[in-house]
Amino acid sequence: SQTIHQWPATLVQPVGSPLSLECTVEGTSNPNLYWYRQAAGRGLQLLFYSVGIGQISSEVPQNLSASRPQDRQFILSSKKLLLSDSGFYLCAWSVGRTRDYGYTFGSGTRLTVV
Amino acid sequence: AQKVTQAQTEISVVEKEDVTLDCVYETRDTTYYLFWYKQPPSGELVFLIRRNSFDEQNEISGRYSWNFQKSTSSFNFTITASQVVDSAVYFCALTQAGTALIFGKGTTLSVSS
Repeated sequence: SQTIHQWPATLVQPVGSPLSLECTVEGTSNPNLYWYRQAAGRGLQLLFYSVGIGQISSEVPQNLSASRPQDRQFILSSKKLLLSDSGFYLCAWSVGRTRDYGYTFGSGTRLTVV
Repeated sequence: AQKVTQAQTEISVVEKEDVTLDCVYETRDTTYYLFWYKQPPSGELVFLIRRNSFDEQNEISGRYSWNFQKSTSSFNFTITASQVVDSAVYFCALTQAGTALIFGKGTTLSVSS
């Protein structure tokens, strides 16, 4: 069966520090991968999505970046965190060319920038 | 452009009450998919239902039911005889061919005993 792993679960980082969040998927090949962010009291905002290795699309300009070094690995990074980067980050995957079959989400990383 | 609107920010009910969560969507495509997800306090998103634009048949799953009406661009979610365990944030979402899943801002449901 397919599973998605996301870590760490909780992270507290000082302003200006780097960030690396990792997401891996098991049990499927060539998934579409996504990073969403949920700010406190707000909805889910799509940050990045990837349809293949090295292929990254950015939905929102920001100081975050994403990479997909392997088929089932998706990494969210920042060189210097801002206070506004605090939030709940969710990784998700889907299959299907049209990405219409719904997504499976990881358990999320709660990031607090102090 | 596509958009999902969940006008109800917070709803509070007492156990055993029925509650309906509203979802209105906008899209120019004739082929699209609608979803509902539940986010309990743990944070993980739990898939509840997927509906495609060609299937307007309402669906019932236990205490949950969904009313899809293309004429009003709505996909409402009703919980019958609510329970404390139903307390969560509920998200309506939309996708169409070639685009990623777009979420509404969510409705926080609080069920008290």
